Amino acid sequence: GESVGLHLPTLSVQEGDNSIINCAYSNSASDYFIWYKQESGKGPQFIIDIRSNMDKRQGQRVTVLLNKTVKHLSLQIAATQPGDSAVYFCAESENTGFQKLVFGTGTRLLVSP
Amino acid sequence: DGGITQSPKYLFRKEGQNVTLSCEQNLNHDAMYWYRQDPGQGLRLIYYSQIVNDFQKGDIAEGYSVSREKKESFPLTVTSAQKNPTAFYLCASSIPDRGSYNEQFFGPGTRLTVL
Repeated sequence: GESVGLHLPTLSVQEGDNSIINCAYSNSASDYFIWYKQESGKGPQFIIDIRSNMDKRQGQRVTVLLNKTVKHLSLQIAATQPGDSAVYFCAESENTGFQKLVFGTGTRLLVSP
Repeated sequence: DGGITQSPKYLFRKEGQNVTLSCEQNLNHDAMYWYRQDPGQGLRLIYYSQIVNDFQKGDIAEGYSVSREKKESFPLTVTSAQKNPTAFYLCASSIPDRGSYNEQFFGPGTRLTVL
């Protein structure tokens, strides 16, 4: 079936660097995408979302880019901090009736001080 | 954790026993969900409920059961029929069909270990 996957399982960066986490999706009908952050032993927390009619959306220190041509989603974190260390999941949803989210396997971000 | 509580945080059970995980939300959300998360993997949908007294099977419903008698509560029972129940269980809720959005708010999770 359709699935969402991630290119890099682990990303290690230095504090202050910019981080880029990538995600590929295969369902061309998906029209809504979300990034979640999950710290160890906790539930996922919403970071940012984007609709398919947008290419870019910015939040506080985070930017999500959507390239529908190649079915690629990325999360950019500016000035990465140790508190950003976590697993990041992308999820996608298709707007047909009741929407269910399909989650990727996650990327672990490790930030060194 | 966005007004969603799950209890207990850690749960141990013996093989062959049924166990019920609690999920309560005070966000007035209509939709609620149960996910299972295994180490190094993403979330897989077990069951979901769009409204009180209604629920649907997700991708991995075998060996699980749910009820939705109240809007704020969506308990999950892991039965003895579930072959590999040890996992981290996450409950979520959302306001369904709000345009094309389906942001889900998650609880803190329950880690179930079968001994």
